[in-house]
Amino acid sequence: QQQVKQSPQSLIVQKGGISIINCAYENTAFDYFPWYQQFPGKGPALLIAIRPDVSEKKEGRFTISFNKSAKQFSLHIMDSQPGDSATYFCAAGSSRRTGNQFYFGTGTSLTVIP
Amino acid sequence: KAGVTQTPRYLIKTRGQQVTLSCSPISGHRSVSWYQQTPGQGLQFLFEYFSETQRNKGNFPGRFSGRQFSNSRSEMNVSTLELGDSALYLCASSLEGVLSYGYTFGSGTRLTVV
Repeated sequence: QQQVKQSPQSLIVQKGGISIINCAYENTAFDYFPWYQQFPGKGPALLIAIRPDVSEKKEGRFTISFNKSAKQFSLHIMDSQPGDSATYFCAAGSSRRTGNQFYFGTGTSLTVIP
Repeated sequence: KAGVTQTPRYLIKTRGQQVTLSCSPISGHRSVSWYQQTPGQGLQFLFEYFSETQRNKGNFPGRFSGRQFSNSRSEMNVSTLELGDSALYLCASSLEGVLSYGYTFGSGTRLTVV
């Protein structure tokens, strides 16, 4: 059972446009929601993360929007650039359980066209 | 500061064989987690080790096992390989055994089972 559902599977955006990736979760014990960016041949790298006590977090061109009641969160990439072309994964984890265990979405392949 | 190092980068094995993958975490990191990444399933959690003890385990068969040494280096073993075990195996390390921004992935070991 997929604990975190991610959509769309792939996304094509023009340079300068806004890229939006959505994720939904079921487990209310999750209280840490990171987004990872992965380039071919590399491991995922942390992009931005949010905890459910805030509804939005912005770092540069990347923004996470979080809707606790709907159990949904999304990544917005403003002014998308060709260098943003990568696969993006949302994830969720719970600080209530000991240790690190993340549940990942299935990924979104983003292509930014020049 | 060196990142998470995984060796080897690529492996080709025959069905029925066994394989051992290695992960050297960032210096000072004591938590090491392993994930299996496949195109259809995304990243699936295998297990986490902290101070030489397995702390968490995902839903994988007993053919998948691991261990951690006193220097925090970790190995993952897969016995009786199946075609479906072909995947990118990722290791991630973190400073402490709690959810944190310090969760860093290596570039992975690409295992192909033929």
